[in-house]
Amino acid sequence: KAGVTQTPRYLIKTRGQQVTLSCSPISGHRSVSWYQQTPGQGLQFLFEYFSETQRNKGNFPGRFSGRQFSNSRSEMNVSTLELGDSALYLCASSLPRDGGYEQYFGPGTRLTVT
Amino acid sequence: ELKVEQNPLFLSMQEGKNYTIYCNYSTTSDRLYWYRQDPGKSLESLFVLLSNGAVKQEGRLMASLDTKARLSTLHITAAVHDLSATYFCASGTTSGTYKYIFGTGTRLKVLA
Repeated sequence: KAGVTQTPRYLIKTRGQQVTLSCSPISGHRSVSWYQQTPGQGLQFLFEYFSETQRNKGNFPGRFSGRQFSNSRSEMNVSTLELGDSALYLCASSLPRDGGYEQYFGPGTRLTVT
Repeated sequence: ELKVEQNPLFLSMQEGKNYTIYCNYSTTSDRLYWYRQDPGKSLESLFVLLSNGAVKQEGRLMASLDTKARLSTLHITAAVHDLSATYFCASGTTSGTYKYIFGTGTRLKVLA
C-alpha cells in the first residue's frame, strides 16, 4: 500500500508570496492532519480535515488555511508569507484504530521563505 | 491546557549503555504514541500504548505506560549508533474531537 505523499518536497518563496502544499493520504484514510515543525517551536498542529470538513484547528493565524477534496487529498495554503513560516510541513493521514486514530506521516515539504 | 513534556531534551550516550526517556502528559489520554525522526526526515511510528501497564518492545527499544502517573517511558538497552535520532511521544486524547499533542522531542546521540 502506498504511503502518504506530499508535494512539492522542497520550496523556496519570498516574503509576501503565497504557497500551496499538497498531501495525498493512504488509500482509505479519510482524516488528514497538518503540522508545522520548526527548531524553535517543535511540532505544532495546524488543522485536521475529515470528509472534506475541518474538524480541528490549532492556534495559527488566518493566513494558514486548508481544504480537503472528495478523494481525501488535502491542500494547505499560506498567504502573505513571512520569514517565520520557514519550516517543515508534515501531513499525516489517520485510520481509526482501537477507539482512537493512528497517524501515518508523509515525508514533508521543506518551505524556505527568503 | 493539554501538555506533553519530555525529558531529557538532549541525550548523548555511549554505545552499549542503557538509558530512559520520560514522557509526562497533563491530560487524560486514550493512548500514547512514540515516534522516531531522523534528521531532515519524517516521523516513523514506533509504538502505540493503549492501556495502563502496557509494555511494548522492538529490538533495543521498550516503551511502557503508567496512566495513573500519566507517564510513559522509552527505555534504550545497549544503545547502538543507529539509534541516534529524535524521539517524540504524543498523547492521543478525545477532548472534544480526537487530538494529538506532541512532546518536545528528545534528541539522542549515541557515540561510538
